[in-house]
Amino acid sequence: EAGVVQSPRYKIIEKKQPVAFWCNPISGHNTLYWYLQNLGQGPELLIRYENEEAVDDSQLPKDRFSAERLKGVDSTLKIQPAELGDSAVYLCASSSLAGGPGNEQFFGPGTRLTVL
Amino acid sequence: AQSVTQLDSHVSVSEGTPVLLRCNYSSSYSPSLFWYVQHPNKGLQLLLKYTSAATLVKGINGFEAEFKKSETSFHLTKPSAHMSDAAEYFCVVSSTSGTYKYIFGTGTRLKVLA
Repeated sequence: EAGVVQSPRYKIIEKKQPVAFWCNPISGHNTLYWYLQNLGQGPELLIRYENEEAVDDSQLPKDRFSAERLKGVDSTLKIQPAELGDSAVYLCASSSLAGGPGNEQFFGPGTRLTVL
Repeated sequence: AQSVTQLDSHVSVSEGTPVLLRCNYSSSYSPSLFWYVQHPNKGLQLLLKYTSAATLVKGINGFEAEFKKSETSFHLTKPSAHMSDAAEYFCVVSSTSGTYKYIFGTGTRLKVLA
């Protein structure tokens, strides 16, 4: 079974440029998560989707960040314009259930973004 | 609100010696707790989870953790470290209502010395 796929794995851009990250979850997983992981920190949730609906985007900086999951499968996270402080690893995860306290999330390898 | 504290940012052990990675949690309700491992340039992988069943949880690669409610702890242990265990380890608490959101600790980097 293929895991969570993310691309690109690495991205270097100039500040004020736009950037987009793509995620394809495990087949059949209806819940998809985007996390931000700063250096030396644990991941923090940016947005959670159940199918195509964003059910928790309270931590997403909506002035510059946007996300979509149009057909309830793969998803794109965009930053426009990027700032120096956006340099981090962006993780995508998926899970098979809409909720439940013991639910396991499966993580992709992440996209490492460097903003110069 | 839930939170989790990993008490050591770095742990070094010699190969073949026991591993102890400490985690304390805060939760208003009976929590679900997880340990994930992150190897360089790889995705986070679940080691084990506690969801109110047995308090001693066994995971992959010889790791186990014990849920101690009285101490609000969920420490990760392994009897004998291998070189391949060198990685970043994250303790996670899941909220027990609403969105069941994952709250990650800041991580413990384990170094295994030959």
